[in-house]
Amino acid sequence: EVQLVESGGGLVKPGGSLRLSCAASGFTFSSYTLNWVRQAPGKGLEWVSSISGSSSYIYYADSVKGRFTISRDNAKNSLYLQMNSLRAEDTAVYYCARDLGILGATSDYWGQGTLVTVSS
Amino acid sequence: DIQMTQSPSSLSASVGDRVTITCRASQSITSYLNWYQQKPGKAPKLLIYAASSLQSGVPSRFSGSGSGTDFTLTISSLQPEDFATYYCQQSYSTPPFTFGPGTKVDIK
Repeated sequence: EVQLVESGGGLVKPGGSLRLSCAASGFTFSSYTLNWVRQAPGKGLEWVSSISGSSSYIYYADSVKGRFTISRDNAKNSLYLQMNSLRAEDTAVYYCARDLGILGATSDYWGQGTLVTVSS
Repeated sequence: DIQMTQSPSSLSASVGDRVTITCRASQSITSYLNWYQQKPGKAPKLLIYAASSLQSGVPSRFSGSGSGTDFTLTISSLQPEDFATYYCQQSYSTPPFTFGPGTKVDIK
């Protein structure tokens, strides 16, 4: 069974940093592109970042480019999102998701999400 | 960037109704269009990918159609578990892979 479990969310002050993790199981981790998608409270979905299986291809939304860094450790079956210079508008539930592998950022399995709150 | 719109933003329907949700892209995305269902407090669930391909395990009452800029999600006979918010997403070419604003389907 495919499982994705996010962790690392919490309350952080504007300008602060946070590192999210996503532990994966139930599939050949290194073979899949992975995505981060976020959802601000009461709002819609926003694609944040994607990383290919070998980390050869990495993409970011303009809203986080230069502040967030996606990475993965295939030996540990883990995905990460390093978030720096956080802003109030980064407040959201952050989901990690496995890519279907057919089309760009088509996510077939999702974690339960971890809440990041940026507030003073 | 490609912008996505959905209509309606919300709708009220009864169990057994046929429901249609429309998604429009600001430029052609050929068939690179996905549909997700999200229930309150839960992660989204992939329903349809590549405009019309049904994701494994998704009931056949869900169907998708369209190409280019105009797409449709149809629920042939609405069931109680289908009350949720539905999002389209374009997955064409390079990022950003934008989502539509969502369509909330609730009980009439």
